[in-house]
Amino acid sequence: KAGVTQTPRYLIKTRGQQVTLSCSPISGHRSVSWYQQTPGQGLQFLFEYFSETQRNKGNFPGRFSGRQFSNSRSEMNVSTLELGDSALYLCASSFGGSSNTGELFFGEGSRLTVL
Amino acid sequence: AQSVTQLGSHVSVSEGALVLLRCNYSSSVPPYLFWYVQYPNQGLQLLLKYTTGATLVKGINGFEAEFKKSETSFHLTKPSAHMSDAAEYFCAVSGWGGSEKLVFGKGTKLTVNP
Repeated sequence: KAGVTQTPRYLIKTRGQQVTLSCSPISGHRSVSWYQQTPGQGLQFLFEYFSETQRNKGNFPGRFSGRQFSNSRSEMNVSTLELGDSALYLCASSFGGSSNTGELFFGEGSRLTVL
Repeated sequence: AQSVTQLGSHVSVSEGALVLLRCNYSSSVPPYLFWYVQYPNQGLQLLLKYTTGATLVKGINGFEAEFKKSETSFHLTKPSAHMSDAAEYFCAVSGWGGSEKLVFGKGTKLTVNP
């Protein structure tokens, strides 16, 4: 079955712009999580959605937001981009709920460069 | 609060040698523990996980890890390194019940020399 799909894979933006990243989870998975990966900070949790509700949130400013649709697809948005937002943004899906095993399945990521 | 410490940001071994990547965790609840691998320009792939039961966990590609509660460790080993093992390895912990929020270590980049 198809894995986690993230689009776009690469994008370049300038400071002050906004960006929307998309994630399609594995079929049947209802939980989608987002992580930011940078050389300096490593992998940091952004937020997690389950059945269209944000269930967990990391320690990021309000410029970072997300949502999940009824088909479990998720988007994250970063507004007023800063140079420090340059990173690989990883989406991960899982079953969530009572059948959760803790295992996350990751997409290949969206690499954002802010100039 | 949970945290993960990976000792050694870079580890270099010769092909055929033992691979040992160290991970210590801190968790106030019984943890779920994971090792993920990341190849260049790719996402993370699960190598193995510990939830409950047997403390020696076998994963893919010949890797295994042992959960030692007394030492709060979950070190990753492979008896004989292969060139294809060169990648970055991340240890991660989540809370009881496998909350989707994973806390990752900083990662260890493994180099395998011919």
